[in-house]
Amino acid sequence: AQSVTQPDIHITVSEGASLELRCNYSYGATPYLFWYVQSPGQGLQLLLKYFSGDTLVQGIKGFEAEFKRSQSSFNLRKPSVHWSDAAEYFCAVFYTGTASKLTFGTGTRLQVTL
Amino acid sequence: DADVTQTPRNRITKTGKRIMLECSQTKGHDRMYWYRQDPGLGLRLIYYSFDVKDINKGEISDGYSVSRQAQAKFSLSLESAIPNQTALYFCATSDPGTDTQYFGPGTRLTVL
Repeated sequence: AQSVTQPDIHITVSEGASLELRCNYSYGATPYLFWYVQSPGQGLQLLLKYFSGDTLVQGIKGFEAEFKRSQSSFNLRKPSVHWSDAAEYFCAVFYTGTASKLTFGTGTRLQVTL
Repeated sequence: DADVTQTPRNRITKTGKRIMLECSQTKGHDRMYWYRQDPGLGLRLIYYSFDVKDINKGEISDGYSVSRQAQAKFSLSLESAIPNQTALYFCATSDPGTDTQYFGPGTRLTVL
């Protein structure tokens, strides 16, 4: 069965520092990959997505992610974190050819210190 | 106006009560979903619907039922609520070409 692993439950970074959130997915057919962000008390907002083509994708709010097939990874990065980035981040995967179901990781909570 | 709306936003109820959570969307998508979110577990799929006549169980459908009244409306019911159904519930729609999902603001349900 398809699965998504976010190995870091909680990460703390200082404002202005760089950020990388890890995401690994179970190997399968061509995946569609997504990162969503959930601010406290809010719904989920799409940050970026990968379907095909360039393996480095740019998203909103200065985020980017790189698809690495050899490592089954889709890590989210940001060069300089802002205090407003404090939120929970979810990686999700959808495999083409299966029933249309998006599988989510368990999330990484980001805390930003000033 | 929000593309995906959910009502109510918060609900407290008692064990054994019947509860309905409603979702409406203006995106014109055929595909709609209900998820629940629990701390440390991420989002888990309860039910999904590809069109008005197509409804499918997700990974945790026990204790829940759904109704797709129209393309724009997808309701989730708890026939007899129990405390372990206390969670945050999200409705979503998706673009069939890319399966990009768009979420509502969520309904926080507490079952006492």
